[in-house]
Amino acid sequence: QVQLQESGPGLVKPSQTLSLTCGVSGGSISSTDSYWSWIRQPPGKGLEWIGNIHYSGNTYYNPSLKSRLTISIDTSTNHFSLRLTSVTAADTAVFFCARVTYSSGHYYMDVWGNGTTVTVS
Amino acid sequence: ENVLTQSPGTLSLSPGERATLSCRASHSLSSYYLDWYQQRPGQAPRLLIYGTSNRAAGIPDRFSGSGSGTDFTLTISRLEPEDFAVYYCQQCGSSPWTFGQGTTVEIK
Repeated sequence: QVQLQESGPGLVKPSQTLSLTCGVSGGSISSTDSYWSWIRQPPGKGLEWIGNIHYSGNTYYNPSLKSRLTISIDTSTNHFSLRLTSVTAADTAVFFCARVTYSSGHYYMDVWGNGTTVTVS
Repeated sequence: ENVLTQSPGTLSLSPGERATLSCRASHSLSSYYLDWYQQRPGQAPRLLIYGTSNRAAGIPDRFSGSGSGTDFTLTISRLEPEDFAVYYCQQCGSSPWTFGQGTTVEIK
């Protein structure tokens, strides 16, 4: 079955760029009916959708982050990435990657990575 | 933005009891685009219900979802010890996709 694994630095300095990668194993990132998503969760708080990408390269960003955000995909290595610029302490969170499945008109996040903690300090 | 408001914030129940969790959207939402997730401490969220009422693979039938328009409900018919967790509703019908703030189901 498909598994996802986030990786990247756990500590980023304010004003710098946060970069994370999500590796996809057990399946192809180039599935037509799959989108690939980033979600974050600040300490002790709820979930925030960051954005999605399709293997075609189409991206869908949360408007609140759009000016600082780039999500990219590499089908040759089966991973996708997040880049968030000009970070502040408010960007400190656990970052999750997830697969979004599109099926019979529904979208749902059915596979999640374990999450990686990023602290901005 | 379609804001999702969950109630109650915390539900204190005993194993074996029935749990009813509410999710209200600020704008009407197609039932196709309302999902529910469970998150246990220190873990990633897990998909429970998609499209308002469809159980995800491997989810026990004590979990059920219903609703339409702006009002949606997740029901756990008989709470098992592993069901004490935080539950989030999420909409993917309009951008940005949004989550409710969560309902904590705790042991009474």
